[in-house]
Amino acid sequence: AQSVTQPDIHITVSEGASLELRCNYSYGATPYLFWYVQSPGQGLQLLLKYFSGDTLVQGIKGFEAEFKRSQSSFNLRKPSVHWSDAAEYFCAVGVRGTASKLTFGTGTRLQVTL
Amino acid sequence: DTEVTQTPKHLVMGMTNKKSLKCEQHMGHRAMYWYKQKAKKPPELMFVYSYEKLSINESVPSRFSPECPNSSLLNLHLHALQPEDSALYLCASSQDPGVQNEQFFGPGTRLTVL
Repeated sequence: AQSVTQPDIHITVSEGASLELRCNYSYGATPYLFWYVQSPGQGLQLLLKYFSGDTLVQGIKGFEAEFKRSQSSFNLRKPSVHWSDAAEYFCAVGVRGTASKLTFGTGTRLQVTL
Repeated sequence: DTEVTQTPKHLVMGMTNKKSLKCEQHMGHRAMYWYKQKAKKPPELMFVYSYEKLSINESVPSRFSPECPNSSLLNLHLHALQPEDSALYLCASSQDPGVQNEQFFGPGTRLTVL
């Protein structure tokens, strides 16, 4: 079965600093990969996705992620964080060839200091 | 319209009450989902509907009863809930049940069981 690990429970960065959130997955083949963001008490918003092709994926709000098969990773990055980026970030993996069933990581809470 | 709507936003109910959560999407998506999310945890899949038919039930207690009256609507009927069922209930939809697509989430219903 597939699984997702987000090793960082909580990260604090200063506004304007760069950001990298880590995500590692476990699956025997190439998975579908997603990053979602959730503000407190809200639903999840899709930031970006990787299905195939170019391993560097651009998303909304200036985020990007890189799929590295050799490291089973799909880390999320942003060159300059804004205070409004403070939220919970979830990495998720979907399995090819099945209905759209996602497995989520435990999430990383991002705090932004001014 | 690229939105999933959920009503009500908040719901407080007693353990003997019967209530329903409603979810609606007008994106033509043919897969719809119910998730349960406890505080500081990732969403947990409860049910998946594919082409208005229940395709996945993640061993959810029978006090939760899903219904998909048509391709745009998804209901979750609640009866005899327990306080531990208090959570954020998220609805999501995706385009094609047979293909791994991104899921679009609604804002959720915050349920409190007294």
